[in-house]
Amino acid sequence: EPEVTQTPSHQVTQMGQEVILRCVPISNHLYFYWYRQILGQKVEFLVSFYNNEISEKSEIFDDQFSVERPDGSNFTLKIRSTKLEDSAMYFCASSDTQRTDTQYFGPGTRLTVL
Amino acid sequence: QKEVEQNSGPLSVPEGAIASLNCTYSDRGSQSFFWYRQYSGKSPELIMSIYSNGDKEDGRFTAQLNKASQYVSLLIRDSQPSDSATYLCAVIGFNKFYFGSGTKLNVKP
Repeated sequence: EPEVTQTPSHQVTQMGQEVILRCVPISNHLYFYWYRQILGQKVEFLVSFYNNEISEKSEIFDDQFSVERPDGSNFTLKIRSTKLEDSAMYFCASSDTQRTDTQYFGPGTRLTVL
Repeated sequence: QKEVEQNSGPLSVPEGAIASLNCTYSDRGSQSFFWYRQYSGKSPELIMSIYSNGDKEDGRFTAQLNKASQYVSLLIRDSQPSDSATYLCAVIGFNKFYFGSGTKLNVKP
């Protein structure tokens, strides 16, 4: 069964450093999303992406964040200058054109900012 | 204002019982509603979606939607210990995808 994959599973970085989180969505899906979940808190929407541009973004997704689809398979989330409060689990999700609101989640990347 | 609200629990039920999970949402214009299951340290896993008022059944799971009351629920029949997880209600509202904080379900053998 096709699935969303994410790398790395765990990323440790120093405050102020840039990180890139990588996702490979399900191959025939065209809608992509990033979410984050701070430990013990709810899953929060960050951004949705379709047709090589951002469709929607939340208040969390400020200028420190960017997304990119650098090739036909990868979808990345970049955090330019990490802060301690960026420590969280980051989930990528994708959906297809038939049911754009049915999203399938990857296993997540745990980001730890020291 | 919280877009999606759930009782955090924990909700404890004995094995074989019916577990009832509830969720309210604030955007009256919402059209799409979802239940996800999340095991500790894992990603959300889609259980069911519902779009119309009434009940929708899938195996041991029944989702119920009442748009007038802005209320969504999930019933799990014949609960199993493997159902022990946090159940997340998600709603598309204000053109964004919102999750509730989740209800922790504990099914005791």
